[in-house]
Amino acid sequence: ETGVTQTPRHLVMGMTNKKSLKCEQHLGHNAMYWYKQSAKKPLELMFVYNFKEQTENNSVPSRFSPECPNSSHLFLHLHTLQPEDSALYLCASRRGRQAGELFFGEGSRLTVL
Amino acid sequence: QQQVKQSPQSLIVQKGGISIINCAYENTAFDYFPWYQQFPGKGPALLIAIRPDVSEKKEGRFTISFNKSAKQFSLHIMDSQPGDSATYFCAAGAYSNSGYALNFGKGTSLLVTP
Repeated sequence: ETGVTQTPRHLVMGMTNKKSLKCEQHLGHNAMYWYKQSAKKPLELMFVYNFKEQTENNSVPSRFSPECPNSSHLFLHLHTLQPEDSALYLCASRRGRQAGELFFGEGSRLTVL
Repeated sequence: QQQVKQSPQSLIVQKGGISIINCAYENTAFDYFPWYQQFPGKGPALLIAIRPDVSEKKEGRFTISFNKSAKQFSLHIMDSQPGDSATYFCAAGAYSNSGYALNFGKGTSLLVTP
């Protein structure tokens, strides 16, 4: 148990659906991240939030919409996705703004039909 | 452009052998170099990390060797065990105006045979 919980663990959606991924961290951290993990590719940074403020949007298509209502919760809203968006979406958190360990959740496996 | 290059893509080692995974980077602003271990169905978990002011760090059977001038670092797993079979990712971190983030290699799938 890393202290970072992601739900749902698995999600299948059609291209016209709207769904959301949820992440909750119980570590008292101030920074939260969304990464995308696809086969044979590096983990891709999508979004960074520091103290609830979005500080990084790594050229992510607008069909992915993040939301960070407080420093413990992070959402990724999904709409009109493409089959190539199928991947494992990982949430992570970190204490403060300096170098240090990222704690990852177990991920949400997304399949877009 | 991939900022951290990792090799090999896959590795098979006999039990008791040494597993070696290599990474290289270009950005001299990186100041933190962790290795993550990921088992199927789990998220990546920190295994060991090093900062650029030291050349080696050892924790149990795991050692990071760091060569700042060559911009390379490697993970050595001594006395490899079947339970070490997993995917290993190297990463490099830097602080920027958007906060702190890690850039990951593509990963190495390690299989330790009995």
